[in-house]
Amino acid sequence: DARVTQTPRHKVTEMGQEVTMRCQPILGHNTVFWYRQTMMQGLELLAYFRNRAPLDDSGMPKDRFSAEMPDATLATLKIQPSEPRDSAVYFCASGLEIQGSYNEQFFGPGTRLTVL
Amino acid sequence: GESVGLHLPTLSVQEGDNSIINCAYSNSASDYFIWYKQESGKGPQFIIDIRSNMDKRQGQRVTVLLNKTVKHLSLQIAATQPGDSAVYFCAENIIGYSSASKIIFGSGTRLSIRP
Repeated sequence: DARVTQTPRHKVTEMGQEVTMRCQPILGHNTVFWYRQTMMQGLELLAYFRNRAPLDDSGMPKDRFSAEMPDATLATLKIQPSEPRDSAVYFCASGLEIQGSYNEQFFGPGTRLTVL
Repeated sequence: GESVGLHLPTLSVQEGDNSIINCAYSNSASDYFIWYKQESGKGPQFIIDIRSNMDKRQGQRVTVLLNKTVKHLSLQIAATQPGDSAVYFCAENIIGYSSASKIIFGSGTRLSIRP
């Protein structure tokens, strides 16, 4: 049963610390998405990749957030330095996008981040 | 899995009745729409999708209706069951720069089932 995995599932850290969240997309998928879910904003798209190349990270605060795909099996979202307002659940999703066809996204279980 | 306690509009439905969840989308150029279900403690899960060249699509117990004139999408759930309790999100596919499409989520509706 293929699924997206995310680590850690929970992270509590102090303001100013670096946070790295990891995602393993479903094998064979060529798109990866990072979302943030908060009570106030709902689900926000932060960044997404196709074939490991970043396509759109306009939803991500550039000064402290960075997203990368070191290889096809790993996507990372890093926050440095973290702030209390970054507290949220961060979801990773992956999908298979073929030219002309649309992209169903499969979501991971999320990482709940709390910044004190 | 994780979720957040979202402050959302809530639809309360008697078990066995039909549910209708509505959504207004923003971009008239959107060409693909999806409904997702998010249960407590889990990530969103795909339910059903529809392309802009259609106005209705049916799945198992679910139907999606699309009205492009007023930019309105609805999800109908037949014979609602306790397992349908969740937050439901509509999402639209928007063509961004680099000719790359991306999915933008709506704010969500919480469906609550009365026994």
